[in-house]
Amino acid sequence: DQQVKQNSPSLSVQEGRISILNCDYTNSMFDYFLWYKKYPAEGPTFLISISSIKDKNEDGRFTVFLNKSAKHLSLHIVPSQPGDSAVYFCAASAREYGNKLVFGAGTILRVKS
Amino acid sequence: KAGVTQTPRYLIKTRGQQVTLSCSPISGHRSVSWYQQTPGQGLQFLFEYFSETQRNKGNFPGRFSGRQFSNSRSEMNVSTLELGDSALYLCASSYYRDTGANVLTFGAGSRLTVL
Repeated sequence: DQQVKQNSPSLSVQEGRISILNCDYTNSMFDYFLWYKKYPAEGPTFLISISSIKDKNEDGRFTVFLNKSAKHLSLHIVPSQPGDSAVYFCAASAREYGNKLVFGAGTILRVKS
Repeated sequence: KAGVTQTPRYLIKTRGQQVTLSCSPISGHRSVSWYQQTPGQGLQFLFEYFSETQRNKGNFPGRFSGRQFSNSRSEMNVSTLELGDSALYLCASSYYRDTGANVLTFGAGSRLTVL
């Protein structure tokens, strides 16, 4: 039962262009969403989050959009840089679950210079 | 401020053996969670400990267990290892627990290979 899905295993983008990573969820109880970035041989690093009471959150080059009716969120990276090449994980949580995060399978982003 | 420290970083075991992994959270963090990452599966939640008590458990067999000490350090144990237990085991810590809007800080993980 995959409650959080990242349907694109990989994405390739040219440096300077926009990267859009997508994530869908099924559990209506989720009320907080996070994106993590992971480099090989390192643990996931928190990138940006959004509460279900918002539909957009920005932090520098990173913007997360949440569409609650569609149970869909996306991460936009503008402009994309070669250093952004990593695996991106979408995660969701609910107040009732405490600190349990439900992760998607991840999307490998390659930014070509 | 030191991050989340996991030891050992790499280990190789054979089927049937057991393994213990250790995690030292960020100083002051009382919540420690464990996740298993396998190729194509994302991160799967194992369990969470807060103030030495298991607060939440994922859908893993009883061979997977854990504990937390009074200094918030945590260990997880896997007994009777199977080939499918080969994975990266990640520990994460957090200061809060009850808001449901907490950012977890992850360690670099312990890479377990079962032969």
